[in-house]
Amino acid sequence: AQTVTQSQPEMSVQEAETVTLSCTYDTSESDYYLFWYKQPPSRQMILVIRQEAYKQQNATENRFSVNFQKAAKSFSLKISDSQLGDAAMYFCAYRTGMNAGGTSYGKLTFGQGTILTVHP
Amino acid sequence: NAGVTQTPKFQVLKTGQSMTLQCAQDMNHEYMSWYRQDPGMGLRLIHYSVGAGITDQGEVPNGYNVSRSTTEDFPLRLLSAAPSQTSVYFCASSYREKLFFGSGTQLSVL
Repeated sequence: AQTVTQSQPEMSVQEAETVTLSCTYDTSESDYYLFWYKQPPSRQMILVIRQEAYKQQNATENRFSVNFQKAAKSFSLKISDSQLGDAAMYFCAYRTGMNAGGTSYGKLTFGQGTILTVHP
Repeated sequence: NAGVTQTPKFQVLKTGQSMTLQCAQDMNHEYMSWYRQDPGMGLRLIHYSVGAGITDQGEVPNGYNVSRSTTEDFPLRLLSAAPSQTSVYFCASSYREKLFFGSGTQLSVL
């Protein structure tokens, strides 16, 4: 079974600064996806960024980027130019790739979450 | 565009009561799932379905039942609520690698 670990229960950053959230995972599969989700106080789950394991290039979405180290099974999220609206719980998640077949491709395994505080 | 709709948003139950959390999606997705969110544990998969008439257990299925009679609906039933089931529940539907979450149900069992 896959496991996802977020070792930072809480992080804080000053507005306009950069912060990196850590995530490690354990799997024996070669085909998978990795995700970062943001959960603000509204409880809504918002997809921030995703990475396909077969792609070597790190995914980027505006101020959000990842550092994907496949051999090390590490998937960190970097938030640049932090804004007050970035304050939320962030979850790292793993999903088996569709090429693996079967029904497992729809299941997400989540990390414990990291609460990010942004100071003005 | 409604997406994934969960009802109710909040619910308080007494130990031993039963209830059904409703989940409906209008995107014609085959795959639907239920997660519970607990502090320090992230989200954990309860049950999932790969299509009408097909369901299977996730990581924490005990105390919960599901059925999938239509593509649109995937209700989660608590037959005899226990305080350990106090949690926030999310329903999700998915298409390929993308998951679409409902807004969640906060359930308290006293």
